[in-house]
Amino acid sequence: GENVEQHPSTLSVQEGDSAVIKCTYSDSASNYFPWYKQELGKRPQLIIDIRSNVGEKKDQRIAVTLNKTAKHFSLHITETQPEDSAVYFCAAPRGNTGNQFYFGTGTSLTVIP
Amino acid sequence: DAGVTQSPTHLIKTRGQHVTLRCSPISGHKSVSWYQQVLGQGPQFIFQYYEKEERGRGNFPDRFSARQFPNYSSELNVNALLLGDSALYLCASSAQETQYFGPGTRLLVL
Repeated sequence: GENVEQHPSTLSVQEGDSAVIKCTYSDSASNYFPWYKQELGKRPQLIIDIRSNVGEKKDQRIAVTLNKTAKHFSLHITETQPEDSAVYFCAAPRGNTGNQFYFGTGTSLTVIP
Repeated sequence: DAGVTQSPTHLIKTRGQHVTLRCSPISGHKSVSWYQQVLGQGPQFIFQYYEKEERGRGNFPDRFSARQFPNYSSELNVNALLLGDSALYLCASSAQETQYFGPGTRLLVL
C-alpha cells in the first residue's frame, strides 16, 4: 500500500533463529496495527495486533513493537519453525477509519530446517 | 462457529463481462470490507460497508460497486471486466477494528 512500507520483501532464516519484519506508516492518526500471515493459496490470518497505547505485545513466540514517534512497527518471531514459512503482511488504518486498511507489500519468510 | 464465507471460490470470465461476488460475515459482525489482492502483492482496499452504508472507497474505478444487505451480507460487482481485474478478491468482516478474512474468490479474466 502507498502509505505502508514493509521490509524485507524476502527473508530466509535457519530453524530456531529469529525473524524480524519492519513496517513504516505515514498517517499519525493511525492507532491500530495488525499483522497477517498468508500461506500459499489461503486467506490472510490475523496473528497479532497492537494498539497505539502500548509499545509492545507478545503472544508466545510472536511479538510486535510499535514506535509511534518514528511511525514504525515490527514483527518479531523467535525460535522459528518450518511451519512459520509464509508471507507476512503488516497493515495500518486509512486515517481514523474503522475498518479500512493499507497493507504492506508482504514479506516472504522461509524457515530452513 | 462459522467464519467469513465467500462465493464462488473460483470464477473465469472474459473481457467486457460483469461479475458478482458474495460474502457472508461472521455472525454479529456489521462491517464488511472488500479487498483486491493481485498475485505477489498485499491486499488493496476497495470498499467498506457498515450497517448497509458505504463508509469508504479505495482508488478503484466506477466499474466497481458494492452493497450490503439487511442481514449484513455483501456483494461486490465489477462491470466491463479487464484483464487486470484478475485477482483474489477478499472479504473481511469485523465487529471492532479487528478484521477477519474470508477464503476469497479467485477471478481470472481472459
